[in-house]
Amino acid sequence: QQQVKQSPQSLIVQKGGISIINCAYENTAFDYFPWYQQFPGKGPALLIAIRPDVSEKKEGRFTISFNKSAKQFSLHIMDSQPGDSATYFCAASSHGSGNTGKLIFGQGTTLQVKP
Amino acid sequence: DAGVTQSPTHLIKTRGQQVTLRCSPISGHKSVSWYQQVLGQGPQFIFQYYEKEERGRGNFPDRFSARQFPNYSSELNVNALLLGDSALYLCASSSRLAGANTGELFFGEGSRLTVL
Repeated sequence: QQQVKQSPQSLIVQKGGISIINCAYENTAFDYFPWYQQFPGKGPALLIAIRPDVSEKKEGRFTISFNKSAKQFSLHIMDSQPGDSATYFCAASSHGSGNTGKLIFGQGTTLQVKP
Repeated sequence: DAGVTQSPTHLIKTRGQQVTLRCSPISGHKSVSWYQQVLGQGPQFIFQYYEKEERGRGNFPDRFSARQFPNYSSELNVNALLLGDSALYLCASSSRLAGANTGELFFGEGSRLTVL
């Protein structure tokens, strides 16, 4: 129940294309769903996040779509650029009583954007 | 401003040895969390400390321990190292206990541990 399943494991997209990464969860107590971007040799950095009271959040070229009933959420990268090539992790956490806000991460998606 | 700093960046140990990893949080941050990232996988939560007290622990054996100092820096200790402990160990800091829920969790670049 604590798992977050992420797909695909790897993704190759042409420059200017749309990159789509999907995640699914089981624990209905999760109430915060961030996406992290990690470049080689660096730690993860927060990209964008959503809460279950909205179905979509957009920040620049990055959009999260959230489907509460299906317990799924996805990251869309519009007009993908070579600089977007990185590993992307979805995550989830719950803010229940006594909870520390620890993140449960997906397995990661390695994105390569070809020029 | 300096971000989360970790040391050492790389280290090699042999099975059975002990290792200590260090983390300095962003100035003003009182919470430090530790995550283990095995190659090709997402980070896994190990510990969270807030105001020098342990506030959360992940599913890791007792060989893993940590502490937070009065200046809010932290150490992660791993005893009796196993080959499977080879990983990138990430430290993250936040200003609040529930920083991960508010977008305030900031990661360092990690300490890469290789166990031979």
